[in-house]
Amino acid sequence: NAGVTQTPKFRVLKTGQSMTLLCAQDMNHEYMYWYRQDPGMGLRLIHYSVGEGTTAKGEVPDGYNVSRLKKQNFLLGLESAAPSQTSVYFCASSYLAGGMPTGELFFGEGSRLTVL
Amino acid sequence: GQQLNQSPQSMFIQEGEDVSMNCTSSSIFNTWLWYKQEPGEGPVLLIALYKAGELTSNGRLTAQFGITRKDSFLNISASIPSDVGIYFCAGQLITSYDKVIFGPGTSLSVIP
Repeated sequence: NAGVTQTPKFRVLKTGQSMTLLCAQDMNHEYMYWYRQDPGMGLRLIHYSVGEGTTAKGEVPDGYNVSRLKKQNFLLGLESAAPSQTSVYFCASSYLAGGMPTGELFFGEGSRLTVL
Repeated sequence: GQQLNQSPQSMFIQEGEDVSMNCTSSSIFNTWLWYKQEPGEGPVLLIALYKAGELTSNGRLTAQFGITRKDSFLNISASIPSDVGIYFCAGQLITSYDKVIFGPGTSLSVIP
C-alpha cells in the first residue's frame, strides 16, 4: 500500500538549474498539496490543487510552479533554483467528506533539496 | 505570514510525565488538527477536531477545539520514549477551507 510517493528523495542543484519533484498518490484523493519545511518554520504551503486540472497558490508560491494533469499526480517545478529554495519538500493528499475538504492530510516521506 | 502560534517551542520531560502544548491564532478556524513528525518522515495525523468545544481522545492523547475557534490544545499522558518527535497543530481557516495551515511545531524530547 504505497499511499503518497515522492521522487526524488534527494537532489543537489546548482543555482539557476531547473528541476521537477513528482508526487503520486494511489488513494483517489481529490486534494493535493506541496509544502516546504525549514527549521523553526513548520510547514509552509507552496501550492495546492483541489482537483485534476486545477491549482492554486499557497503561502509561499514565488519561484515555484505546479501542474495536476492527472488526478493521482502533482508536480512541483523550480524553473531557476536559488539557495533560498534549499529545503525539505513534502507532498500531501486529502479527501472530501460530505463534499467538504477534511484537512486530514496523508504525507509522503519528503524530498530533500539542496541548492548550491 | 505565520497565522498559527505554538507553545512551547520545545520540551524536555521525564518518561511518565504528562505533556501539554497549545496552539493559538488571531484568526478563526473551522478545523483543528494535530500531527506528529518523526525524524526523516512526513507528519502523521493524530487527532482531528471539527466542532468548537469538542474534546477528543486517541489513546493517551487528548485534544480540544477551543470555544472561540481560535485555539486548541494537545495533552499527552504518561509519556513514553516513542512520543519523541515534533508536534504540529494545523487548521483550515473559516475563510479558506481548501488550505491547511501549519504551526511552527513543538519539539518533544523524553528522557528515559
